[in-house]
Amino acid sequence: QQPVQSPQAVILREGEDAVINCSSSKALYSVHWYRQKHGEAPVFLMILLKGGEQKGHDKISASFNEKKQQSSLYLTASQLSYSGTYFCGGDTGGGNKLTFGTGTQLKVEL
Amino acid sequence: GAVVSQHPSWVICKSGTSVKIECRSLDFQATTMFWYRQFPKQSLMLMATSNEGSKATYEQGVEKDKFLINHASLTLSTLTVTSAHPEDSSFYICSARFAEGFNEQFFGPGTRLTVL
Repeated sequence: QQPVQSPQAVILREGEDAVINCSSSKALYSVHWYRQKHGEAPVFLMILLKGGEQKGHDKISASFNEKKQQSSLYLTASQLSYSGTYFCGGDTGGGNKLTFGTGTQLKVEL
Repeated sequence: GAVVSQHPSWVICKSGTSVKIECRSLDFQATTMFWYRQFPKQSLMLMATSNEGSKATYEQGVEKDKFLINHASLTLSTLTVTSAHPEDSSFYICSARFAEGFNEQFFGPGTRLTVL
């Protein structure tokens, strides 16, 4: 069963913040976050490993709570370029074979 | 670095024909490649895991005789959709990772298959 993401969709004004959640029913070795624009391949954002890792780059950060099997992606001061569909990918077997989440459509407007 | 290409970008074929999609890692050697299928407005669904020099591992529900995968070298994996039918129309995306311990998957640009 694939991880469930929330919200399903969100619309932001440029400069606003957003949080995207990813919840798995299975234990996770790692969580991968990707952004996909329409008709294009997913673009890697970051990986979080077991151990309660948190990391960030520029204005995008994420956390991973392995006990709750949940991860969250934080987007601060959103830009128009942040628009797209965000997917979390959960590695449940330790071999980097990912099960992708249900997806979150994010649209940033002026 | 870490660029993955796919060929073709799109293909339109008649029902019953076979289509081959290539996935290449351009600047690194990929020990493992993954093949995904994505229907419109849906998530990516893993079809199979391909390791160089060995048989592919298919996910439950994926017909191995219909979706033939060959990982002939450390830079090339191919997916052949045999006897394609309209329900096989989809966006097929490959990804590659280059070594144990490096977890990131690098995705190709995808191939849009339309079966008439």
